[in-house]
Amino acid sequence: AQKVTQAQTEISVVEKEDVTLDCVYETRDTTYYLFWYKQPPSGELVFLIRRNSFDEQNEISGRYSWNFQKSTSSFNFTITASQVVDSAVYFCAHGSSNTGKLIFGQGTTLQVKP
Amino acid sequence: DARVTQTPRHKVTEMGQEVTMRCQPILGHNTVFWYRQTMMQGLELLAYFRNRAPLDDSGMPKDRFSAEMPDATLATLKIQPSEPRDSAVYFCASGLRRGTNPDTQYFGPGTRLTVL
Repeated sequence: AQKVTQAQTEISVVEKEDVTLDCVYETRDTTYYLFWYKQPPSGELVFLIRRNSFDEQNEISGRYSWNFQKSTSSFNFTITASQVVDSAVYFCAHGSSNTGKLIFGQGTTLQVKP
Repeated sequence: DARVTQTPRHKVTEMGQEVTMRCQPILGHNTVFWYRQTMMQGLELLAYFRNRAPLDDSGMPKDRFSAEMPDATLATLKIQPSEPRDSAVYFCASGLRRGTNPDTQYFGPGTRLTVL
């Protein structure tokens, strides 16, 4: 069965610091997808990124970057020069090609202090 | 800017009452998911529809919960009778599934349910 572990329950940083959110997954699927979602204080879950298991290239989008390493079953998320608006709960998820369902990690609460 | 909409946004009810939550998926999406979020359990998948057909409702307590898609623009989640332990935020998400690739799910704002 699939499982997603986000070991960091809460992280607190000061604005402008870089921060990395860890995500480790377990899967028996040969083909799968990985996702990150952001849940700001308003409560809505916002899609950030999707990667498929064949593409291990790192991705950068502005201050956000993602590091996918199949060898360690990890899909880590780094925010560079964090801002107060980055304060949110961040969820990593595994998507199965067999079922189409997403399995979410427990989330990491990021607090960015001014 | 297409979004998933959910109504009501907040619902307070008394134990034993029926609760109906509604979701309008993004136009053109063919999958709909219902999730429940609590502090203790995190995000749990309750039900999953594709092309309006229920594919998986194994996460849903069958005795009191029911999920339907009367048409492509409306999904409903009903609890009857409601209990205090049902208090949670209920999210609807929709996606466009092509072939075997899991779709990216886009979430609605959620319905915060409080059962007294």
